[in-house]
Amino acid sequence: EVQLVESGGGLVQPGRSLRLSCTASGFTFGVYAMSWVRQAPGKGLEWVGFIRGKAYDGTTEYAASVKGRFTISRDDSKSIAYLQMNSLRTEDTAVYYCSRYVGYLGDWGQGTLVTVSS
Amino acid sequence: DIVMTQTPLSSPVTLGQPASISCRSSQSLVHSDGDTYLSWLQQRPGQPPRLLIYKISNRFSGVPDRFSGSGAGTDFTLKITRVEAEDVGVYYCMQATQFPWTFGQGTKVEIK
Repeated sequence: EVQLVESGGGLVQPGRSLRLSCTASGFTFGVYAMSWVRQAPGKGLEWVGFIRGKAYDGTTEYAASVKGRFTISRDDSKSIAYLQMNSLRTEDTAVYYCSRYVGYLGDWGQGTLVTVSS
Repeated sequence: DIVMTQTPLSSPVTLGQPASISCRSSQSLVHSDGDTYLSWLQQRPGQPPRLLIYKISNRFSGVPDRFSGSGAGTDFTLKITRVEAEDVGVYYCMQATQFPWTFGQGTKVEIK
């Protein structure tokens, strides 16, 4: 059974950094691309970014709203995808979900809440 | 960026009756590989998103057959043949044909 568990969320001040983790199980992690999607309180879904599998050298894509501030990486030996978030803004407050990409986002984690506030 | 526009934004339906949601993209979602990366997701209250349909019309594992997707190019539709209580939630279309991937605004399905 595929499982994705996000962790690392919490309360952080504007301008600070936070790193989220997405721990995967139930599949050969390194083969698959992974994506992060977020949802601000009471709002819709927003795609954050994407990291390809090792066959494509783990290259990344980002939404314009986070490009240059957020970085997605992966540790295939630990089956973990990371979302490093720097220079956080109040508008980054959201639940962050990771998802496995298999031509579509079929498997999702439960999400982790990030609150950016002073 | 490709803009995804859903209609309606709210859909009150009677149990057992059909429901339909439209999604229109600002440009064709046909990828250079010939596939169309249009998905439909359901989000029940307090839950993460759940994939229902991928590549326009393919039901994901475990999705009841009362859900169906159709369309081509820039116009797509999600249909529920007979709405059940567990179908209450927000439905999103999403394109993964071109970066940045984009979602529709969401359509709230509720019971009358």
